[in-house]
Amino acid sequence: AQTVTQSQPEMSVQEAETVTLSCTYDTSESDYYLFWYKQPPSRQMILVIRQEAYKQQNATENRFSVNFQKAAKSFSLKISDSQLGDAAMYFCAYRRSTPLVFGKGTRLSVIA
Amino acid sequence: NAGVTQTPKFRVLKTGQSMTLLCAQDMNHEYMYWYRQDPGMGLRLIHYSVGEGTTAKGEVPDGYNVSRLKKQNFLLGLESAAPSQTSVYFCASSYAYEPQHFGDGTRLSIL
Repeated sequence: AQTVTQSQPEMSVQEAETVTLSCTYDTSESDYYLFWYKQPPSRQMILVIRQEAYKQQNATENRFSVNFQKAAKSFSLKISDSQLGDAAMYFCAYRRSTPLVFGKGTRLSVIA
Repeated sequence: NAGVTQTPKFRVLKTGQSMTLLCAQDMNHEYMYWYRQDPGMGLRLIHYSVGEGTTAKGEVPDGYNVSRLKKQNFLLGLESAAPSQTSVYFCASSYAYEPQHFGDGTRLSIL
């Protein structure tokens, strides 16, 4: 079974600085999808960014970008110019033919 | 544009009581899912459905039943609630391999 590991339960970053959240996964498949979801205190699950495994180019969405290392099975999220509104739980998730498999999450605090 | 709507948003039950959580989506998605979220555990899949009339077990299905009689609705039932089922429940829907859209969650407490 696929597993997703987020090794950092908590992280903090100064406002306007850059932070990287780590995620590794275990799969024997070659074609799959990876996602980062954000969960603010409102409890909503918000899609931040997605990456298709067949694409070599790292996905980017405004201040959010990923470092996708397929051979290492690593999928880290970089948040640039951090803002107070970025404070949330962040979940890494994997999907192929089955529903999403989530990591346990990283709680990000942003310090003003 | 409602997206995914969960009913109710909060509920308190006594041990042994039964209840049904309703999930409705208006995006014509084939796939629907139920997850539970517990502190430090992330989201874990309870059951899911790949189309009207179909259901399948996820990672933690015990103590729950589901039904998908209509494409837009996915019901999660607890026949005899237990304190271990105290959690936040999320419904989601999607096209096959597209990102899942989530509801706002239901906080369920079982005393």
